[in-house]
Amino acid sequence: DGGITQSPKYLFRKEGQNVTLSCEQNLNHDAMYWYRQDPGQGLRLIYYSQIVNDFQKGDIAEGYSVSREKKESFPLTVTSAQKNPTAFYLCASSIRQLNSPLHFGNGTRLTVT
Amino acid sequence: QKEVEQNSGPLSVPEGAIASLNCTYSDRGSQSFFWYRQYSGKSPELIMFIYSNGDKEDGRFTAQLNKASQYVSLLIRDSQPSDSATYLCAVNIITQGGSEKLVFGKGTKLTVNP
Repeated sequence: DGGITQSPKYLFRKEGQNVTLSCEQNLNHDAMYWYRQDPGQGLRLIYYSQIVNDFQKGDIAEGYSVSREKKESFPLTVTSAQKNPTAFYLCASSIRQLNSPLHFGNGTRLTVT
Repeated sequence: QKEVEQNSGPLSVPEGAIASLNCTYSDRGSQSFFWYRQYSGKSPELIMFIYSNGDKEDGRFTAQLNKASQYVSLLIRDSQPSDSATYLCAVNIITQGGSEKLVFGKGTKLTVNP
């Protein structure tokens, strides 16, 4: 079955450590996205990529980094510079960026203490 | 004005009733509108998308778009307890740099009472 796989489902880290969240899709979608969701808040865009080896900052990119070396993969690194990293992280993909519905992975819940 | 606004709710309806969820947006140039359902602790799942003015029906769900008034709504007929979730409206917004991004509202929490 085609879909988007995020791993791990839950992640715990100590403050000051970098952590990388995995996102893989086998839908052959061109565009991939990372969103963050906090309680009572909407989804906020961190980074997105329309094509391999290219990505753009979203609304809250500070403290995060990404890479897009393969079409199928779009990992997100939460660095120690991110001041409030504890959140629910959602990876999504779409056939193309414009006018296409997003399909979401199951999310990674990151807790930093 | 916020880019995409929804009433946070909670919206409570009895089983079998029609639930009406509303969303307003600020960008007159927006062309694509999406409704997602999100169960507690889970990721959003796409319910419907609509691009043209008017109504679009899919089973018990109807999306309504009025670009002149800048609102999009979702009607759920014959509401079931399993419809209890948070419903997210998403709209494509043209940025100042000319690119597009999808902006989500904060969601409306719907509870369907048996």
